[in-house]
Amino acid sequence: EAGVAQSPRYKIIEKRQSVAFWCNPISGHATLYWYQQILGQGPKLLIQFQNNGVVDDSQLPKDRFSAERLKGVDSTLKIQPAKLEDSAVYLCASSITRTSTDTQYFGPGTRLTVL
Amino acid sequence: DQQVKQNSPSLSVQEGRISILNCDYTNSMFDYFLWYKKYPAEGPTFLISISSIKDKNEDGRFTVFLNKSAKHLSLHIVPSQPGDSAVYFCAAKGGGSNYKLTFGKGTLLTVNP
Repeated sequence: EAGVAQSPRYKIIEKRQSVAFWCNPISGHATLYWYQQILGQGPKLLIQFQNNGVVDDSQLPKDRFSAERLKGVDSTLKIQPAKLEDSAVYLCASSITRTSTDTQYFGPGTRLTVL
Repeated sequence: DQQVKQNSPSLSVQEGRISILNCDYTNSMFDYFLWYKKYPAEGPTFLISISSIKDKNEDGRFTVFLNKSAKHLSLHIVPSQPGDSAVYFCAAKGGGSNYKLTFGKGTLLTVNP
């Protein structure tokens, strides 16, 4: 079974530029998550989708971050404009559905460096 | 406000010995706990989980213990192998309808041959 796919793996941009990340979840997984992991910290949830609807985006900086999951499959996360503090690894995860015991499976992440 | 705490940034053990990784939480609404392992340049990989209705769960060399009264869980790896060297994250969920995971900062385990 193919895992969660993410691209690109690495991205370097200058502050105030825009960037987009792509995620393709495990086939059949209805729930998709985007996490931000800053160096030395654990992953922090940015946004959660159930099919193509947003379940939780309470920690998404909506003035600069946006995400969509058209057709309930793959998803894109965009940052515009980027700030220095956005340097982090952006992880995508998926789970079969959204219950207390469902396991989230993570992709390899995209390492973003903002100069 | 850090709801899941891993107070040891790193741990070093000898191959064949036991590794014990600890995790504390503050939110009494958490009812499901997971451990993830992360190698460099890879995403976290699910290792083992435990529900709050249990106090122990075992899977091969990995055992997770939960002490609800102390709001503490631990991961035991016996025997430890060099391939276990990685960052281990404790995560918890519950207390809401979105079932989001709250992670600790991680513990770097190094198993020396």
